[in-house]
Amino acid sequence: GESVGLHLPTLSVQEGDNSIINCAYSNSASDYFIWYKQESGKGPQFIIDIRSNMDKRQGQRVTVLLNKTVKHLSLQIAATQPGDSAVYFCAENMKDTGNQFYFGTGTSLTVIP
Amino acid sequence: DSGVTQTPKHLITATGQRVTLRCSPRSGDLSVYWYQQSLDQGLQFLIQYYNGEERAKGNILERFSAQQFPDLHSELNLSSLELGDSALYFCASSVGSRDTVNQPQHFGDGTRLSIL
Repeated sequence: GESVGLHLPTLSVQEGDNSIINCAYSNSASDYFIWYKQESGKGPQFIIDIRSNMDKRQGQRVTVLLNKTVKHLSLQIAATQPGDSAVYFCAENMKDTGNQFYFGTGTSLTVIP
Repeated sequence: DSGVTQTPKHLITATGQRVTLRCSPRSGDLSVYWYQQSLDQGLQFLIQYYNGEERAKGNILERFSAQQFPDLHSELNLSSLELGDSALYFCASSVGSRDTVNQPQHFGDGTRLSIL
């Protein structure tokens, strides 16, 4: 039979606006998180990471916020550009599992010029 | 460019066949990870190797196997292929010692496997 694709959350923003992509992670024991960007036909690309002893980390045009109380992670992209259009994944690393990561289903970001 | 190289980029084969996917990690990285990305299951961890030894196993089928060679490149072998094995297969690598955790993984651009 036909395969059914994942229903990816989608976000459309105007070029120049700020984008916020959210992720609910699954395990309160997770202590390291990464946001990845995946463009069509390419592998996931590392954007920014954050450890559980922090609640905010900033990079170039991106900020990651971590709320451990509600197990929520967000990625903020400032002044979104057409090149930011991609699928964004959060990945969590659970303590004591080595360097294994568990990936969320992703959010598809479309930037409207 | 992540520095992780995967070959081939595309592979088309038939059910029942066997294929080998190859990965060269970033220079200096000792750990290699394999993932499967399919439309209905997202990105799933298959297996990890560190410096030639199997380090962790995820959702890897018994028909699948992997190894890491002394030069640190890795191969993923898929046998008795089924239609459902059609997917993107990614390799990632990271630096560090055997027990180091919380390291970012850097991905190659994948091999697209199509089973006809």
